[in-house]
Amino acid sequence: QQPVQSPQAVILREGEDAVINCSSSKALYSVHWYRQKHGEAPVFLMILLKGGEQKGHEKISASFNEKKQQSSLYLTASQLSYSGTYFCGTSSNNNAGNMLTFGGGTRLMVKP
Amino acid sequence: DTGVSQDPRHKITKRGQNVTFRCDPISEHNRLYWYRQTLGQGPEFLTYFQNEAQLEKSRLLSDRFSAERPKGSFSTLEIQRTEQGDSAMYLCASSLMMGDSPLHFGNGTRLTVT
Repeated sequence: QQPVQSPQAVILREGEDAVINCSSSKALYSVHWYRQKHGEAPVFLMILLKGGEQKGHEKISASFNEKKQQSSLYLTASQLSYSGTYFCGTSSNNNAGNMLTFGGGTRLMVKP
Repeated sequence: DTGVSQDPRHKITKRGQNVTFRCDPISEHNRLYWYRQTLGQGPEFLTYFQNEAQLEKSRLLSDRFSAERPKGSFSTLEIQRTEQGDSAMYLCASSLMMGDSPLHFGNGTRLTVT
């Protein structure tokens, strides 16, 4: 079953923060986050594994709440280059071969 | 690392025709995946290979779809008797075999069935 992402879309001014959520009805082993710009391939941001860890990547970080089967992506001090559609992809076990089930995406637009 | 390459970038075909797409993964990646993406949606899993073995295929995948990965290198995805509903972006991705390896996507093949 597809994970649910919220919000579906968000508009920010440069420098503002945003949080994108990804919720699953199934127990999760891993959550992947990708960003896709219009007409381009999805680009990997980070992976979070079962264990409730938090990871950081420049001004983009993420958390994984295993009990709630949720992950959140945090974008701080947003830049114009952050614009795009963000997808979470989930896997339910470590033998799933990274066969990810992707959410419907969150469209982020950062304005000057 | 030259990235994942897909060919062609665009394909326009008439309903009922067969089409074949090619994907060349990153050379050291054992795993190769095919996904389909329609406008405004996330990628939908189709099938995946570990080396030359096709290990999983989506239950939603019609029998008109077939994929191969001879010798564990490049892969082809064939769609027979195309239908208008097959119009989509077909994405190929590859990864290492470790469970926490990211997927590296190609730029996709956009299929339009008229």
